[in-house]
Amino acid sequence: DGGITQSPKYLFRKEGQNVTLSCEQNLNHDAMYWYRQDPGQGLRLIYYSQIVNDFQKGDIAEGYSVSREKKESFPLTVTSAQKNPTAFYLCASSIEGYAGELFFGEGSRLTVL
Amino acid sequence: LAKTTQPISMDSYEGQEVNITCSHNNIATNDYITWYQQFPSQGPRFIIQGYKTKVTNEVASLFIPADRKSSTLSLPRVSLSDTAVYYCLVGDPLAGANNLFFGTGTRLTVIP
Repeated sequence: DGGITQSPKYLFRKEGQNVTLSCEQNLNHDAMYWYRQDPGQGLRLIYYSQIVNDFQKGDIAEGYSVSREKKESFPLTVTSAQKNPTAFYLCASSIEGYAGELFFGEGSRLTVL
Repeated sequence: LAKTTQPISMDSYEGQEVNITCSHNNIATNDYITWYQQFPSQGPRFIIQGYKTKVTNEVASLFIPADRKSSTLSLPRVSLSDTAVYYCLVGDPLAGANNLFFGTGTRLTVIP
């Protein structure tokens, strides 16, 4: 079955550590996205990529970094510069140039201790 | 960004039809209206999308009046498994995800 796989599902990290969240898709989609969701809130766009080796900042990119070396993969690194990293992180994908239907993964919940 | 306003929460009994209205007074000509459903600790799932009049699929119907300043998601005969948060998004899908805004959504609780 085609879909998006995020790992790990749960992650704990100490303050000052970087952590990388994995996102892999086999939908053959060109565009991929990372969102952050805080409790009781909507989703906020962190980064998005329309094509391999290219990505753009979303609304809350500070303290995060991404790479897009392969079409199938769009990992997100939460750096120590992110002041409030504890959140639910969601990866999504869509066909190129069309964000009308986003396909989401199951999410990764990051807790900073 | 086209701002949307939805009720924060709604309750409904099983078997009833549920209508969730979304206001979007500053919708632009190229904007579409899209609804997503999200269960706890899961990613949102696309439900339906429309531009004007009425759209129906196997899950829901979307009603959009002629002025397009609001829209109504209709869920027929809800069950307990429809308990979720429903998001209304308004934006031009060809302009990229950075013009789509996920607000806090409407938390629907279906009661036995």
